Amino acid sequence: KAGVTQTPRYLIKTRGQQVTLSCSPISGHRSVSWYQQTPGQGLQFLFEYFSETQRNKGNFPGRFSGRQFSNSRSEMNVSTLELGDSALYLCASSSQAGVYNEQFFGPGTRLTVL
Amino acid sequence: AQSVTQLDSHVSVSEGTPVLLRCNYSSSYSPSLFWYVQHPNKGLQLLLKYTSAATLVKGINGFEAEFKKSETSFHLTKPSAHMSDAAEYFCVVTGGNAGNMLTFGGGTRLMVKP
Repeated sequence: KAGVTQTPRYLIKTRGQQVTLSCSPISGHRSVSWYQQTPGQGLQFLFEYFSETQRNKGNFPGRFSGRQFSNSRSEMNVSTLELGDSALYLCASSSQAGVYNEQFFGPGTRLTVL
Repeated sequence: AQSVTQLDSHVSVSEGTPVLLRCNYSSSYSPSLFWYVQHPNKGLQLLLKYTSAATLVKGINGFEAEFKKSETSFHLTKPSAHMSDAAEYFCVVTGGNAGNMLTFGGGTRLMVKP
């Protein structure tokens, strides 16, 4: 089985622009979660989607949004980029939404905001 | 509410000596606890998980962790470090209605000296 794939792997944007990141989960997985990793704040949960519905949302401003398609692929969008949005964005998939589920992480998209 | 504290941001050991990475957690629910490893420029890989079965959990690559409810701890150990163990390690908690929303500790960077 192919693992979780994220595109693009690297991205450079300027302040004020918007960006869309994509995540394809493992085949058969219906839950996709997004995390932001920065040196200062560590790994923080952004949101989780399951069967095209947002199940949980972390403490991030409304500039951060996401969606999930019927094939379970997910996108996250960040509008009006700020310098502090520079981070590694990780996507994780699991087979279902619940407590005891192993999540499989993708390699991440490294976003640099200039 | 839940949180995780990794007591050491950096740990340095010599190859062949034991590894101890410390983790304390706080959770309002019966927690599920995980250890993940992140090698440079790679995604997160699950080492092991505790989900209310045996308190001593064995993982991949010779790692194990013991869940101690009275001490709210979930320390990661390995009898003999290998150079390839050098990486960042994250203790993670979830539980209750958090679903797949993982709460990460700040991470411990393990360095292995030859």
